Amino acid sequence: NAGVTQTPKFRVLKTGQSMTLLCAQDMNHEYMYWYRQDPGMGLRLIHYSVGEGTTAKGEVPDGYNVSRLKKQNFLLGLESAAPSQTSVYFCASRTGQTDTQYFGPGTRLTVL
Amino acid sequence: TQLLEQSPQFLSIQEGENLTVYCNSSSVFSSLQWYRQEPGEGPVLLVTVVTGGEVKKLKRLTFQFGDARKDSSLHITAAQPGDTGLYLCAGRTYKYIFGTGTRLKVLA
Repeated sequence: NAGVTQTPKFRVLKTGQSMTLLCAQDMNHEYMYWYRQDPGMGLRLIHYSVGEGTTAKGEVPDGYNVSRLKKQNFLLGLESAAPSQTSVYFCASRTGQTDTQYFGPGTRLTVL
Repeated sequence: TQLLEQSPQFLSIQEGENLTVYCNSSSVFSSLQWYRQEPGEGPVLLVTVVTGGEVKKLKRLTFQFGDARKDSSLHITAAQPGDTGLYLCAGRTYKYIFGTGTRLKVLA
């Protein structure tokens, strides 16, 4: 039982490049979330999903897209990376029955 | 935009001291959570408080939800080096709003 895993752990991109971050959970959770964490700003919600095939926008969705084709996976895409997207990205998941979110270890992304 | 302000932002104390971290908002939340995050890892849930005025204790940590469900506090008694970390509060509406964080360092 690995919990929530994120791939990759680190990535450096050049402005304009694209990439996809993968989040996988093996707990059969319905809800999944993508956050970004920046110094002094806590965690901000980018997009979330309440079930397979559904996604919704969070606080800071611009410049990101997501997909949830399988219940266990939640993908975060950057189509054209910008330096403002340099951040640490966290994925989280939870069941519909509790408030407890389980977080992955994070992906540190630098956009030059 | 809903905001959760935490204070202080940084705290460095000696082992054995007591401390309180505050989490304040102008918004009402249906519940409030506290997380601890260590370097290179994701946040880990410590507690969820749901009822206005509720107090929960977790060993040396005491959590309180404000009567109006707009604010919360975390009190640590006799802090230990193992308490070092980033403490985050998160208020729930239809989504989770995270606070700005308090970075605690406990010196041996």
